[in-house]
Amino acid sequence: GQQLNQSPQSMFIQEGEDVSMNCTSSSIFNTWLWYKQDPGEGPVLLIALYKAGELTSNGRLTAQFGITRKDSFLNISASIPSDVGIYFCAGANSGNTPLVFGKGTRLSVIA
Amino acid sequence: DAGVTQSPTHLIKTRGQQVTLRCSPKSGHDTVSWYQQALGQGPQFIFQYYEEEERQRGNFPDRFSGHQFPNYSSELNVNALLLGDSALYLCASSLVAGSHEQYFGPGTRLTVT
Repeated sequence: GQQLNQSPQSMFIQEGEDVSMNCTSSSIFNTWLWYKQDPGEGPVLLIALYKAGELTSNGRLTAQFGITRKDSFLNISASIPSDVGIYFCAGANSGNTPLVFGKGTRLSVIA
Repeated sequence: DAGVTQSPTHLIKTRGQQVTLRCSPKSGHDTVSWYQQALGQGPQFIFQYYEEEERQRGNFPDRFSGHQFPNYSSELNVNALLLGDSALYLCASSLVAGSHEQYFGPGTRLTVT
């Protein structure tokens, strides 16, 4: 089945630094989504992307839908302690198809 | 505006037992999806309910079944529990069946001993 590979698996950064993470797939997707999950909570939707090449921002977060439709990127600018958590990418195809999730990137922010 | 709610929060069961988990979707949403999240993994799709019927199903055995009620709330049932069923079970709702913008509840942590 379809699989999503997220990298890096984990990262430690200093508060105030910018963060970049990505998600790649062996097959194309028509929709990419980014979620953040805090300990003991469900994933929270951050950004949804619907068009190849699309660049969408949500505050300090910016995500891009890769041109090949096989990848997506998430950037966080000027990280703060509350950015700590696990970031998941998810892909889906057209119609009523389920979301396929990556294994996540665990972000730690050092104050 | 109430978000997605799930009950119970935690549950401990013994191998071979049966369990029922409950979910109420976000206000205005009529589609509910269930996911299993093992430790250190991303959520895996179990099935989706819309108009009280199972519309999509992931790669899970028939021991996993569900139901949707007229008020759009949903239940996930797992029979003959195995140790490997221990996981966080997440419910997600969406505005329409074809929408990929899904909103998740806090999950039910199931431990099978």
